[in-house]
Amino acid sequence: GAVVSQHPSWVICKSGTSVKIECRSLDFQATTMFWYRQFPKQSLMLMATSNEGSKATYEQGVEKDKFLINHASLTLSTLTVTSAHPEDSSFYICSARRHGKETQYFGPGTRLLVL
Amino acid sequence: GENVEQHPSTLSVQEGDSAVIKCTYSDSASNYFPWYKQELGKRPQLIIDIRSNVGEKKDQRIAVTLNKTAKHFSLHITETQPEDSAVYFCARGLGYSTLTFGKGTMLLVSP
Repeated sequence: GAVVSQHPSWVICKSGTSVKIECRSLDFQATTMFWYRQFPKQSLMLMATSNEGSKATYEQGVEKDKFLINHASLTLSTLTVTSAHPEDSSFYICSARRHGKETQYFGPGTRLLVL
Repeated sequence: GENVEQHPSTLSVQEGDSAVIKCTYSDSASNYFPWYKQELGKRPQLIIDIRSNVGEKKDQRIAVTLNKTAKHFSLHITETQPEDSAVYFCARGLGYSTLTFGKGTMLLVSP
């Protein structure tokens, strides 16, 4: 199989706080993980690519100091939304990919609401 | 840069009919084309993918065709069922690069 989990599934926080989202590959080693953001009724927007043991690569327009990514092991990547504001409210989805394979397997997503 | 156009944005069919969703891409070097199904509030799930060395791939009621010359690929769903109702996303990739997704097609299958 290729199972990817995310935690938490939803979170509500106050403006100005930081939120950490975890993405785990449960039954395979993921050398690369991706973080996406999805607005209602829209497509998946890639935020960053996370490679195990190296710095993440951010897409144009994504603030790396606001969206901190850490990929410390072959099964775990974390996304921290720092000093969250209401405009950061969204559905955040991660995906994971095995070494040498193109297929991305998605996590169930995390719904973030910043009040 | 890479661009993926997906049509139609919405598609309504009667149960049992066929559904076809088309995507075009701009980067002729693209060699990997997956299709994902996303039900409301859930994760995108890979339903079929094709690589550029083949022109067609089929898995039961689902098939994908690829025309490299015209730079387009299509998803075909036959004998549609209400549970096929979802948003479908096409994507393209090159090797182990990132995927570029289409904007999605909302498929509604009416009983």
